[in-house]
Order: sequence, then structure tokens, then C-alpha cells
Amino acid sequence: DAKTTQPPSMDCAEGRAANLPCNHSTISGNEYVYWYRQIHSQGPQYIIHGLKNNETNEMASLIITEDRKSSTLILPHATLRDTAVYYCIVRGKKTGNQFYFGTGTSLTVIP
Amino acid sequence: GAVVSQHPSRVICKSGTSVKIECRSLDFQATTMFWYRQFPKQSLMLMATSNEGSKATYEQGVEKDKFLINHASLTLSTLTVTSAHPEDSSFYICSARGTGGLYNEQFFGPGTRLTVL
Repeated sequence: DAKTTQPPSMDCAEGRAANLPCNHSTISGNEYVYWYRQIHSQGPQYIIHGLKNNETNEMASLIITEDRKSSTLILPHATLRDTAVYYCIVRGKKTGNQFYFGTGTSLTVIP
Repeated sequence: GAVVSQHPSRVICKSGTSVKIECRSLDFQATTMFWYRQFPKQSLMLMATSNEGSKATYEQGVEKDKFLINHASLTLSTLTVTSAHPEDSSFYICSARGTGGLYNEQFFGPGTRLTVL
């Protein structure tokens, strides 16, 4: 199954954009990239997902490179409530359409 | 929409007893539900996949006789931790996958904190 690599931690100033990278160099053509986040002692929260094209919703933007080997989650104006662990997950037939969580990135938004 | 609930949110039990955790999809039908376990400062680990009306599929290393999963309806799956021991203390999270337009989505419950004394 495709694995993801994320930096263990990042800081971001409040009000600035937070750019969270993810490497998924072994991704297959029919596998999606999903992003979830988990605030302490809560269940994961869906943020966004994509296949090939860049995606945007009310929470974030997802930029996927043309070769699909990496992606970046962008929180355009980070707030203190965005402090959480962010997980990049690759999902598709090779993973049985299941979500296998990696170690994620712990994002701290600093006032 | 697409809300998943878990009950209880917290449970404390004595070593050797069994504990049941419920996972419900409140406003959609979930043919597949998943159970995860999360130890402090660690990531979520998939324990098993539960399909409505059939036996659960367990991940390698997860004891199926210790973690009993029942998915008797399209909105309810239960995880029973049998003969719990202190090392079973963890945060248990379920998720549910919908049908049709919700098939590509997976919705997570708020988690259940189990403490075994």
C-alpha cells in the first residue's frame, strides 16, 4: 500500500497561510489523496481529498503535483483552532479502500 | 449530515471484565464500519473492518477473540473488548463509510476513552 511521509511538526503564525507537505511517491493512478486532522482527544475530521486536480473547499486547498508524488495542504489563514495533527492518507484499491494513518504533522498555530 | 456517534465517550472498568462500545451512523446507512485504536502520542491504528451482516476482517496482529465486532445493522457496529487488561487502555475510534454518493467518504466518531484498572 502507498505510504506517506510528512514532517513531524510545524509552526505557523496566526493569520498566515499554513502549508503542509506530504510525499506519496508510490501512489498509483487510481488512488486518492485525503487529508484529515485530529484535534486532541477527538475523532479525525475530514478536510479535503483529490485525485489529480487541485481542489479547494471552505476549509483548505489541496495542491497535487503533476506526477502525483507529493501534495500540499494549504490553510489560507490559520487560526489558533487549526492547531491539530494533520494526516495525509492515500486510499484506493491497493489499500482495500481503507484508511491507514501515518504519523502525521503536528501543526501549532502561534498567536 | 453524515454524523457518527460513539457510546460511551469514556469508560473505566476493572481488569478481567468486558466492555462494549457502540458506533452509530446517525443520518446515513453504513455498509462498512472501521475500528481504530490510538495510544497516547501515537497515530490511529486500524484494527478491523466490519461489513454489515458478515464477519469482520481483522488486521494482522489484532486478536479477533479479544476484540469482538458485530455489525448487525446498517447503522450500528459494536466493539466488545473481552477480558480487558490495563494494556487495552486506549482511545478507540470508529468510522463509517456510506453508500452511493458517500462511498468515497469516511466519517469518524468522536472516540471512546477506555481505562482498565
